[in-house]
Amino acid sequence: DSGVTQTPKHLITATGQRVTLRCSPRSGDLSVYWYQQSLDQGLQFLIQYYNGEERAKGNILERFSAQQFPDLHSELNLSSLELGDSALYFCASSVEVRGLGGYTFGSGTRLTVV
Amino acid sequence: GQQLNQSPQSMFIQEGEDVSMNCTSSSIFNTWLWYKQDPGEGPVLLIALYKAGELTSNGRLTAQFGITRKDSFLNISASIPSDVGIYFCAGQLADGGSQGNLIFGKGTKLSVKP
Repeated sequence: DSGVTQTPKHLITATGQRVTLRCSPRSGDLSVYWYQQSLDQGLQFLIQYYNGEERAKGNILERFSAQQFPDLHSELNLSSLELGDSALYFCASSVEVRGLGGYTFGSGTRLTVV
Repeated sequence: GQQLNQSPQSMFIQEGEDVSMNCTSSSIFNTWLWYKQDPGEGPVLLIALYKAGELTSNGRLTAQFGITRKDSFLNISASIPSDVGIYFCAGQLADGGSQGNLIFGKGTKLSVKP
């Protein structure tokens, strides 16, 4: 157990729908990162939050949004889902803003869009 | 550009063999990290490197931070079946690029020879 909790573990939904993925960072970590991993692909950085504020944005589609709440948990919202959004979505956390000590990853949410 | 070239993309191992993989870039990094991802799980940090020339071991794993600060390698000695998985390198750019966040390679997939 890495200490980063992601729910749900699996999600199957239809095209056009909206889903919310949830992440609780490791205790004490203020920074949360979201990554997308498609089949046989590397980790694509989506977005980072630090202590409730958006800090960095990667290749995140406009249909996707995220937020970090006062208790530091984060949610990734995916809307108007398309088949190509099927992927593993990982959340990672780190103590400080740039994650120099490395990120701790959760086990991921596997999203299947049918 | 700011990207990591990780090679090989995939490799097959026979139990007992030594394995070597590397990451290179045209940019200078001040941190190199190596992660392993088991199927269906999130990446787990194996080794972190913070100084040029640094050589660090973790059991049968050895990683080095290249002298030029533009590359890193990971060696696995006397491989065992549980070494299969995807290995990712990650680095933090010295010039603060990518907003100081880690950049990930596309991964090296280790499989067992049939």
